[in-house]
Amino acid sequence: GAVVSQHPSWVICKSGTSVKIECRSLDFQATTMFWYRQFPKQSLMLMATSNEGSKATYEQGVEKDKFLINHASLTLSTLTVTSAHPEDSSFYICSASSGGYTDTQYFGPGTRLTVL
Amino acid sequence: RKEVEQDPGPFNVPEGATVAFNCTYSNSASQSFFWYRQDCRKEPKLLMSVYSSGNEDGRFTAQLNRASQYISLLIRDSKLSDSATYLCVVNSSGDKLTFGTGTRLAVRP
Repeated sequence: GAVVSQHPSWVICKSGTSVKIECRSLDFQATTMFWYRQFPKQSLMLMATSNEGSKATYEQGVEKDKFLINHASLTLSTLTVTSAHPEDSSFYICSASSGGYTDTQYFGPGTRLTVL
Repeated sequence: RKEVEQDPGPFNVPEGATVAFNCTYSNSASQSFFWYRQDCRKEPKLLMSVYSSGNEDGRFTAQLNRASQYISLLIRDSKLSDSATYLCVVNSSGDKLTFGTGTRLAVRP
């Protein structure tokens, strides 16, 4: 299957700092990338959908000014958690799709964020 | 009502057992259905898509009942390596996936 990487795999930061997470599709062009968040013992929750070259579409309740998404190329999307707080500590997972209504989403390995 | 509902388990079964998971979804317009497997602290991985006619992949069989809006996954001859959380996933709007909270399976020796 297609390969999606995320960097970093884990990060610990102080409250108030910003953290950038990268998501890359390594062997295909991802027209659409998705960002999810998963809290312990909960399901993955979609945060936003981003299409290359256009603004991301955020799900209800997700602050776009806090979670900045940039999808500047067909192989890279970044999520920046601005002014992170302890309640932002979570497992952030991206997925990438080459497009199409039922096209498979390939998931990155996730980034575990801990905000102290 | 949640869009996708699953029994969280855990299901604790011996090796070799057959175990079945069910999942219900609320959006009757949903088009695509999947089972994903997620190991602890890892990303979800696609186990299989679920088709209306039902489909089988080795020891795994998936069924879809559109009239009742439920999906099932049957695992035969359970292995220790099957221990994981099984996520029921529905594509109900465009290309957005909605995940259930998962059903935890523990296979014991």
